[in-house]
Amino acid sequence: DTAVSQTPKYLVTQMGNDKSIKCEQNLGHDTMYWYKQDSKKFLKIMFSYNNKELIINETVPNRFSPKSPDKAHLNLHINSLELGDSAVYFCASSPLYLTDTQYFGPGTRLTVL
Amino acid sequence: SQELEQSPQSLIVQEGKNLTINCTSSKTLYGLYWYKQKYGEGLIFLMMLQKGGEEKSHEKITAKLDEKKQQSSLHITASQPSHAGIYLCGAAAVKEYGNKLVFGAGTILRVKS
Repeated sequence: DTAVSQTPKYLVTQMGNDKSIKCEQNLGHDTMYWYKQDSKKFLKIMFSYNNKELIINETVPNRFSPKSPDKAHLNLHINSLELGDSAVYFCASSPLYLTDTQYFGPGTRLTVL
Repeated sequence: SQELEQSPQSLIVQEGKNLTINCTSSKTLYGLYWYKQKYGEGLIFLMMLQKGGEEKSHEKITAKLDEKKQQSSLHITASQPSHAGIYLCGAAAVKEYGNKLVFGAGTILRVKS
């Protein structure tokens, strides 16, 4: 059984489009995260949700909006996609906020043309 | 500048050789994580270190955290092709890092057969 799953795995789209990436964890964790990994492999946190409440919102454009319908899901919606949004986006979850190991999803490779 | 410095950036070793990857922070860390990422895949948790001077091993991989909790090393003994990938250190310093988990830029490891 997959612990943290993301869909889609690959996403190719045109500039200006709106797209969503879905994340689900079946570990019963309270906290979920979204990370962006750029072309240089640097991993940076974007959002963190604890029990469906936003607790980290790094300086990311307003075009990015996370949505957590329940503890097991954290989706990432991106409006008006730009070339610079091309990256791999990772979802992760942990039992507690920050003090526990984070378990990562397989990543979604987003390519904006 | 990145909050966690990893070195080297990339490494090519002959199969069977030992190698060490370092991760340094200017701040005292609450916890230090090591992850491995295979090309095009998600991050796999390797080890977490929390106590100064702590050392953990898993198969042929050993990670240490110094007494000051500012530097960690990951040592691989008798490297194999299966060890190839990107190794990332991540750290939670809570207040110092603004309540977030930060990552180093990663070390790309290639193992030649």
